[in-house]
Amino acid sequence: EAAVTQSPRNKVAVTGGKVTLSCNQTNNHNNMYWYRQDTGHGLRLIHYSYGAGSTEKGDIPDGYKASRPSQENFSLILELATPSQTSVYFCASGMGDTQYFGPGTRLLVL
Amino acid sequence: GEQVEQLPSSLIVQEGASVLINCSYTDSASVYFPWYKQEPGKRLQFIIDIRSNMERKQTQRLTLLFDKKTKHLSLHITATQPGDSAIYFCSASMDSNYQLIWGSGTKLIIKP
Repeated sequence: EAAVTQSPRNKVAVTGGKVTLSCNQTNNHNNMYWYRQDTGHGLRLIHYSYGAGSTEKGDIPDGYKASRPSQENFSLILELATPSQTSVYFCASGMGDTQYFGPGTRLLVL
Repeated sequence: GEQVEQLPSSLIVQEGASVLINCSYTDSASVYFPWYKQEPGKRLQFIIDIRSNMERKQTQRLTLLFDKKTKHLSLHITATQPGDSAIYFCSASMDSNYQLIWGSGTKLIIKP
């Protein structure tokens, strides 16, 4: 059974609306990550966490917040969604070098 | 900051052929280089990695070569199969905080 799950898998949001993307992992990994994937850019790190209660800014944090209320859960929050945030978002967990990815969430901001 | 470049961006080969995917990075402080594969509609999956104190690593049909002087890596896949069709990503990490900088990916298509 998949150890990293994401919800929702697809989301359509309106400009200016609030969007919350959720990630759950059963690997008991300390580290969790949020990336976005856009054509021609590979994956870009938005926020990451070293454990419950910790959130750190990645390479492109502007317009995003993160929350890590527990070891298992890591959320990405778009307080005021913009069309430029249309993308595919991936969550990952890791304890050491290898990262384990969720299936991704397709977000369309109209 | 660190930048990772991959070439080619796409590749189409006949089943059974070998392929070479190239990756270069800019920061000599990078010490760890994992590669991932993303099959159509599936999640990213770790396939092979190498550290900066190694020159070569092999697992099954994958061989990863690392040249510290030129800051260059190459992934060699032999005896390709339709299941190898995927996007392959090179990434680099500078230290033990496990933050990865990613290349833009190489889309590999294997023709039966």
